[in-house]
Amino acid sequence: GENVEQHPSTLSVQEGDSAVIKCTYSDSASNYFPWYKQELGKGPQLIIDIRSNVGEKKDQRIAVTLNKTAKHFSLHITETQPEDSAVYFCAARPDSWGKLQFGAGTQVVVTP
Amino acid sequence: DAGVTQSPTHLIKTRGQQVTLRCSPKSGHDTVSWYQQALGQGPQFIFQYYEEEERQRGNFPDRFSGHQFPNYSSELNVNALLLGDSALYLCATGPGHGEKLFFGSGTQLSVL
Repeated sequence: GENVEQHPSTLSVQEGDSAVIKCTYSDSASNYFPWYKQELGKGPQLIIDIRSNVGEKKDQRIAVTLNKTAKHFSLHITETQPEDSAVYFCAARPDSWGKLQFGAGTQVVVTP
Repeated sequence: DAGVTQSPTHLIKTRGQQVTLRCSPKSGHDTVSWYQQALGQGPQFIFQYYEEEERQRGNFPDRFSGHQFPNYSSELNVNALLLGDSALYLCATGPGHGEKLFFGSGTQLSVL
């Protein structure tokens, strides 16, 4: 089955700097890659997603890139703010239904 | 428009007991998935329901079972609870085969 690896496990950045989280996947059939943000005591919140026929997608300060050949995708957050502090999860969907395989998560801490 | 709602928010049980968790999907969503999230890990897929049938199942024992009702709401049942079942149980809903999954805040289950 699909296996998703995510790194780093923790990331500390200064406010205003950029943060990059990287994920790799194993199943070449995976065609959908969402990113979720989870704050303490809450469920994961979808922040951006990308389909396998697109190489890059941007939404304000957040962007995601996908390299199908290398089977890796990345989340880029620019101009980080304290409210960006949370755990971020990447995920891959290995078939046509909604089942998602998640990475282990990255704890992002933005210090003022 | 209410999002995905789960109940109860917290639950404490003892080993060997049975538990039922509930989920009401976001308006317009008819697919319900359940995930288990252990502390410090990414969510793990348990199973998915669509049109009142289990469509996909992850690597969880038969002690985990579910149901979807005609109004699309769903229940997760866990029998013969083990200490290792202690986790945050998340419900995620979406429209049909739709890609975007929206998560509830979860039920924190503690097994003593």
